Amino acid sequence: EPEVTQTPSHQVTQMGQEVILRCVPISNHLYFYWYRQILGQKVEFLVSFYNNEISEKSEIFDDQFSVERPDGSNFTLKIRSTKLEDSAMYFCASSEAPRLAGELFFGEGSRLTVL
Amino acid sequence: GNSVTQMEGPVTLSEEAFLTINCTYTATGYPSLFWYVQYPGEGLQLLLKATKADDKGSNKGFEATYRKETTSFHLEKGSVQVSDSAVYFCALSSPLYGNKLVFGAGTILRVKS
Repeated sequence: EPEVTQTPSHQVTQMGQEVILRCVPISNHLYFYWYRQILGQKVEFLVSFYNNEISEKSEIFDDQFSVERPDGSNFTLKIRSTKLEDSAMYFCASSEAPRLAGELFFGEGSRLTVL
Repeated sequence: GNSVTQMEGPVTLSEEAFLTINCTYTATGYPSLFWYVQYPGEGLQLLLKATKADDKGSNKGFEATYRKETTSFHLEKGSVQVSDSAVYFCALSSPLYGNKLVFGAGTILRVKS
């Protein structure tokens, strides 16, 4: 069964360092998302991406964040200068079409710990 | 804006007990409603969905009915198993808000044998 894969599963970094989280969405999907879940809190929307551009972003997704689809398969989230409060589980997701956008397929998540 | 409220957990049940996890929502327009499940160490998986009022979503013995009059989408299962232990998230999406998912806080379910 097709699945969304994410790497790394866990990354520990120092405050101020750049981090790149990688995702391989399901191959025929066109819409890509990043969500995050701070420990003990809600799963929060960060950004959606379609046709090589951001289609929507939340208030959380400030200038420190960027997304990219550098080739036909990977979808990356970059945090330029990490802060302590960026520590969270980051989930990548993909879907086939906007009307099915609620039927997202999620990866297992990348846990980011900022020290 | 759109929001989802779930009952707080953890919910602890014995095997074969009846499960209800309450979910209510606030939304403009006619959202689609979802239950996602997160098993230990895994990502979020779609459990079931309903896209219009009075629809019933069902999967793996779980059910939820879209009640527009009470703005609710409560999750039920008649007889839980230990393997159902997980975190359950109620969520909605609306075309008025870009179809992005808005999640509830999640409810931890623990089933004892």
